[in-house]
Amino acid sequence: GNSVTQMEGPVTLSEEAFLTINCTYTATGYPSLFWYVQYPGEGLQLLLKATKADDKGSNKGFEATYRKETTSFHLEKGSVQVSDSAVYFCALRGSSASKIIFGSGTRLSIRP
Amino acid sequence: EAGVTQFPSHSVIEKGQTVTLRCDPISGHDNLYWYRRVMGKEIKFLLHFVKESKQDESGMPNNRFLAERTGGTYSTLKVQPAELEDSGVYFCASSLGQGGIYEQYFGPGTRLTVT
Repeated sequence: GNSVTQMEGPVTLSEEAFLTINCTYTATGYPSLFWYVQYPGEGLQLLLKATKADDKGSNKGFEATYRKETTSFHLEKGSVQVSDSAVYFCALRGSSASKIIFGSGTRLSIRP
Repeated sequence: EAGVTQFPSHSVIEKGQTVTLRCDPISGHDNLYWYRRVMGKEIKFLLHFVKESKQDESGMPNNRFLAERTGGTYSTLKVQPAELEDSGVYFCASSLGQGGIYEQYFGPGTRLTVT
């Protein structure tokens, strides 16, 4: 079945460091890929998405590219801020499905 | 416009007791989903309503869990009797339609602790 694997945390970086959170997936067909973020005390928010191969999703300085050949959707940001501290979830949704399949989440902490 | 709301935000109960979680979707959203994150692991799908009908309940773990959506508005998820392994965060989401083009909007979650 479909599944998502993402790097385990926690990840701790200094402000302005470069961030990469790895995510790979297993799926049949052509799923849509997502990154969700949960800030402390808040609900899940969609951060970015990509719906087909080679698409790049971007938002708030974060980027991820849908790589079908490596079945990956790694999240990157060139310069993180303290306000980026949160839990990040990689996820996919089958082309004809309604339910979202999530990875286990990566807790990111940014120190000033 | 109000987002998805969930009540309570946190519930602590003893093993064997009953707990009911509530979700109010965004107004006009016919699709409502329940998910949960247990023990800091991945968030897992529980079930999907379209209006008051259960479209997909393949993720419901066992018959101790009962979800309802009478009238097609808010939904409740009852756990009876609760077990220790039910502890986790229960998320609700809603969307205007089904399928990949419709974004699911998530609530803040209910943290359930079973002692």
